[in-house]
Amino acid sequence: DGGITQSPKYLFRKEGQNVTLSCEQNLNHDAMYWYRQDPGQGLRLIYYSQIVNDFQKGDIAEGYSVSREKKESFPLTVTSAQKNPTAFYLCASTPGGTLNSPLHFGNGTRLTVT
Amino acid sequence: QQQVKQSPQSLIVQKGGISIINCAYENTAFDYFPWYQQFPGKGPALLIAIRPDVSEKKEGRFTISFNKSAKQFSLHIMDSQPGDSATYFCACGGSNYKLTFGKGTLLTVNP
Repeated sequence: DGGITQSPKYLFRKEGQNVTLSCEQNLNHDAMYWYRQDPGQGLRLIYYSQIVNDFQKGDIAEGYSVSREKKESFPLTVTSAQKNPTAFYLCASTPGGTLNSPLHFGNGTRLTVT
Repeated sequence: QQQVKQSPQSLIVQKGGISIINCAYENTAFDYFPWYQQFPGKGPALLIAIRPDVSEKKEGRFTISFNKSAKQFSLHIMDSQPGDSATYFCACGGSNYKLTFGKGTLLTVNP
């Protein structure tokens, strides 16, 4: 079955530590996205990548970093500079080039920073 | 600024009733309007989508109504079922391949 795998499902970190969230897809999609979901806030775009070795900031990129070294993988690092990192993080992908095809989402990683 | 305004924040409907969720947008460059459904602990999944060249699209019990001049679109769920209980997000997309989402509506369908 093709899909997006996000791991782990739950992640706990101490304040001041960087943490990397994994996102892997086997859909052969070109474009990948990271969204952050907070209660009552909807989904807000952190970073997106339309092709390997290229990525762009979304609406709330401060305190986050990404890499896209492989088509299948788009890891997100939440740095200590992110002031309020506790949230539900969603990775998504599309074939790319057009939004006629839907975003395919993973099942998310819930990050708790204390 | 909030580019996509979704209402209501929450909605309670009886089984068999009609659920209506509304969205309004500001950017006239948007040309793709999907609705996503999310169950607790899961990622959202596309439910139905519309482009501005039509005013209505129906798929089963789900209908999108689109009013281009008013910059508004809505999701209608006919014969609502308890299994429809979820969070619904509208979104708007344009030529930059990004989606801007509304804040979501928590729908509860009582049996």
